[in-house]
Amino acid sequence: AQSVTQLGSHVSVSEGALVLLRCNYSSSVPPYLFWYVQYPNQGLQLLLKYTTGATLVKGINGFEAEFKKSETSFHLTKPSAHMSDAAEYFCAVSGFQGAQKLVFGQGTRLTINP
Amino acid sequence: DAGVIQSPRHEVTEMGQEVTLRCKPISGHNSLFWYRQTMMRGLELLIYFNNNVPIDDSGMPEDRFSAKMPNASFSTLKIQPSEPRDSAVYFCASSPTLLAANTGELFFGEGSRLTVL
Repeated sequence: AQSVTQLGSHVSVSEGALVLLRCNYSSSVPPYLFWYVQYPNQGLQLLLKYTTGATLVKGINGFEAEFKKSETSFHLTKPSAHMSDAAEYFCAVSGFQGAQKLVFGQGTRLTINP
Repeated sequence: DAGVIQSPRHEVTEMGQEVTLRCKPISGHNSLFWYRQTMMRGLELLIYFNNNVPIDDSGMPEDRFSAKMPNASFSTLKIQPSEPRDSAVYFCASSPTLLAANTGELFFGEGSRLTVL
């Protein structure tokens, strides 16, 4: 069974500041990990993913995340926030085989202050 | 290319009424998922289909909820009778395959916002 915990339901940063959204997971099998982004009144879209290989993965819009097995974490970062980054971000986990479904975290709402 | 298309985008109904939400997946996608999003519970998987066959409906909250996929290009989620606690945003998502869905290739529609008075 898998689960995801996102630390902080709301994060607020200033434009140009570092963005750090935290995600910890629990998985009984080697995990696949994802970050999805949801802009207002839209569906979720994939931001980046880790399946195998390099533990630092880069996504769209300058975001990246690092898989740390020892810490069971997959935190999302962006060096410099932009106003257009304001959205809700979801961390998700799935298994690597079979029809295991994605399990989403509760989401973190990111606000960017001018 | 058209994405996942959901209708209606907004639905307001009274308790006890039947509600039907519709979804057209991306052409060629074999897997379809229904999710519900609420402030209290976040994003929950209700049911998913593979090749039009329901695979796992363990997330369906109760017998008032039913979902069908009569063909590869259409699915419905029905609530009968509806209750105020069913108020939520319902998302449909599709994927080329179940394996692709597991690796993040999940394409979401814009959602149907349901309000039950």
